[in-house]
Amino acid sequence: AQRVTQPEKLLSVFKGAPVELKCNYSYSGSPELFWYVQYSRQRLQLLLRHISRESIKGFTADLNKGETSFHLKKPFAQEEDSAMYYCALNNAGNMLTFGGGTRLMVKP
Amino acid sequence: DAGITQSPRHKVTETGTPVTLRCHQTENHRYMYWYRQDPGHGLRLIHYSYGVKDTDKGEVSDGYSVSRSKTEDFLLTLESATSSQTSVYFCAIKVSPGGYEQYFGPGTRLTVT
Repeated sequence: AQRVTQPEKLLSVFKGAPVELKCNYSYSGSPELFWYVQYSRQRLQLLLRHISRESIKGFTADLNKGETSFHLKKPFAQEEDSAMYYCALNNAGNMLTFGGGTRLMVKP
Repeated sequence: DAGITQSPRHKVTETGTPVTLRCHQTENHRYMYWYRQDPGHGLRLIHYSYGVKDTDKGEVSDGYSVSRSKTEDFLLTLESATSSQTSVYFCAIKVSPGGYEQYFGPGTRLTVT
């Protein structure tokens, strides 16, 4: 069975510091991975999909199949990045499995 | 927002009462999903639908039922609400054709007293 683990429930950094939100997954096939962001009391928004290899709002994420990880990174955190971040995995079906989420707090 | 709305946005109800939440989409996508969001648990799938009258259970389906009589509407019913069902409920769709990502509604905050 697939599983997504986000080991940090809370990550607190200062503005301008680098950020790395960790995501590890367990799945034997070729997964498709996503990062979602949820700003305070808003809907979840798709931030990144690994197949696109894109950079959105300065965030990037690289799929490391050897380490089964898909960590989200940003070199310089901004206060507006404060939000809840969820990593999600698709197993080539029509379902997503979500991690427990990491709350990012960026302090001024 | 992929044309997804949810109603009501907030509801307070008493233990033992039935509650129905509505998800409405405007773009006729086939797949629709209901999740609940709880601290520490992330999002957990309750039920999903792959077409009119075609539904299946998710990870946490006990105490919930769903119906989809029209493509655009997916209803979630708590048959007899309990305090453990206090949560934020999100509806989502999968855009077809496309990838496997899902797009979410604004959520319904349900409190069962």
